[in-house]
Amino acid sequence: SQQGEEDPQALSIQEGENATMNCSYKTSINNLQWYRQNSGRGLVHLILIRSNEREKHSGRLRVTLDTSKKSSSLLITASRAADTASYFCATDEDDYKLSFGAGTTVTVRA
Amino acid sequence: DAGITQSPRHKVTETGTPVTLRCHQTENHRYMYWYRQDPGHGLRLIHYSYGVKDTDKGEVSDGYSVSRSKTEDFLLTLESATSSQTSVYFCAIRAGTGEETQYFGPGTRLLVL
Repeated sequence: SQQGEEDPQALSIQEGENATMNCSYKTSINNLQWYRQNSGRGLVHLILIRSNEREKHSGRLRVTLDTSKKSSSLLITASRAADTASYFCATDEDDYKLSFGAGTTVTVRA
Repeated sequence: DAGITQSPRHKVTETGTPVTLRCHQTENHRYMYWYRQDPGHGLRLIHYSYGVKDTDKGEVSDGYSVSRSKTEDFLLTLESATSSQTSVYFCAIRAGTGEETQYFGPGTRLLVL
């Protein structure tokens, strides 16, 4: 069964604004990862945060992890039209498999 | 797409027909995965492989079988296709630092009529 659940399901923002999406999960994890999927394409890995980390940055991406609440957030700052995509969280329970959520669809309006 | 190709990219078939999808990688990674993606469900794991002839089931394996006779190829077979197997199928490998992240192929869009 799916481990992660993203919220919101869909998000529409103006170019230049920040986009925030959340992921909740159910069991202990080794790490949590975020992926992006552009329409009609495969998923692309964005960032990985380990269970002993609380925050991580990569370019315009900021990820937080709260293991006590079993939740993570992905912040995209200064959004661009090219950020229009679906974003998925995936949890790694240390068994070489990832469990993906249903995703958040982000639309960036020009 | 990290040296991962999938074939065919699109297929239309009829109910009851066997279908085989191929995933090919060029970098000798040990772990390979097959997922299906349906609206509202994200990606669900069908089967995965951790080496030649070593495979295991995922959460939605019923109606599917896999084979891996060499490192670079991972085949997914729908033994008798049903309309409920209409989906987009993605292959992935496990790679990167510590082999903790997955890299995905471009997908195969399958329509079962």
